[in-house]
Parts: sequence; structure tokens; C-alpha cells
Amino acid sequence: DADVTQTPRNRITKTGKRIMLECSQTKGHDRMYWYRQDPGLGLRLIYYSFDVKDINKGEISDGYSVSRQAQAKFSLSLESAIPNQTALYFCATSDLPGDTDTQYFGPGTRLTVL
Amino acid sequence: RKEVEQDPGPFNVPEGATVAFNCTYSNSASQSFFWYRQDCRKEPKLLMSVYSSGNEDGRFTAQLNRASQYISLLIRDSKLSDSATYLCVVNMGNAGGTSYGKLTFGQGTILTVHP
Repeated sequence: DADVTQTPRNRITKTGKRIMLECSQTKGHDRMYWYRQDPGLGLRLIYYSFDVKDINKGEISDGYSVSRQAQAKFSLSLESAIPNQTALYFCATSDLPGDTDTQYFGPGTRLTVL
Repeated sequence: RKEVEQDPGPFNVPEGATVAFNCTYSNSASQSFFWYRQDCRKEPKLLMSVYSSGNEDGRFTAQLNRASQYISLLIRDSKLSDSATYLCVVNMGNAGGTSYGKLTFGQGTILTVHP
């Protein structure tokens, strides 16, 4: 079983709809992240959470909100989706900073907003 | 200026070739450095960390030049399976000098290895 899972894997929605993307992890990591990836722009950080009570905005948080329901779950919401939020969204986890700071990514959610 | 910049390529090389990717970063306080690999439509995965003294993992060699704020990845004896996008990744750290856990990604360099 995958250590980091995301649901749904694909979603097509309409402008103005509320959308929630969910992320779960079984790695026992405290830190979780949400990124979006657009062609030519790389991955950009939307929100990150270093533990259940600590949530922080990333570089592109406008139009998004998050909820850290438990250590293992971190959800991303688009309150009113717009077409320029069409992208590939990744959730990631990491342990406390160490020698590698490795982040482990989920398989991604491909979101299309019409 | 982007915080982490890479040549997007694409690089098209024959099997067995040696190919090098470069990356520059803007924040001199950056703490740690990585190369991630991303296959088409898949999630990024850590390829290797990059250490100040340079490090090697099989056919892959990573170098870091802090003075020039420059990172490189060298792939020797390229295989068809090396075809992917290679992401240069930097941990910016914080003012206290401890690792911050927040990564900044370059836009990626596309590599295609052909027979």
C-alpha cells in the first residue's frame, strides 16, 4: 500500500464549485505540504503544516484553504474554483528536518476547472 | 529572478552518453540541496541529496558550489530508463541556520534518452 495517498486522482469541476482534495499518510510524519504543479513553473507551495496545530501559508495560498484533521490527514479546499486553478496537485510529507529533509509525495490529483 | 533556476531543456541524448544539468539558487542562506526525479504524470521522488564535498551514487554525481550558488547533476552512461524530468530542489533554511523543512523547486529539466 502507498504511504501517501490522495483522493480523488482526477476531478473535473465547474467554475464556482467548492472542491476538497484529501491526503492521507501512513508514514507517521508530522509535516505535510500541498503543492500545485503547472507546466513550466515547477512545484509551488500552497500550504504547509508542521504539526496538527501549526498551519502556514505558502507562496500561492490565495483561493485555497486547508484543514489538518489529524497527524495523518491534510485536506486542501478550493472554496470557489476558477479555471486558473486547473493544475496537478501534490501532497507531500516529511519527518523532522534531518540530514536529508526528504519529502515523500502522493500520486497527485489532476484537477480541471471548466 | 526565480529562487531556483534550471535550464528546462529538453535534453535529447543517446544511450551511453554523459549529460550534465545545472541549477542556480538565489538565496545564499540556503541550507540543503537535492535532486528529485519526476517521471511523466507521476510524483517527484528523491534522487539524491547534494553535499558540499560532492557525492556520487552509481552513475549519478552531484556537485555543490556555495560560492557561486550553483548545483549540478552529472549522469554517466545514460540509460533509456533515465528519461524523466530532473528537479533541482533547495531548502532555504531560516535565520537561525537550522533546517526549515520548506523546499523550493526549480521548474525541472527534461531528459530524453533514445536508443
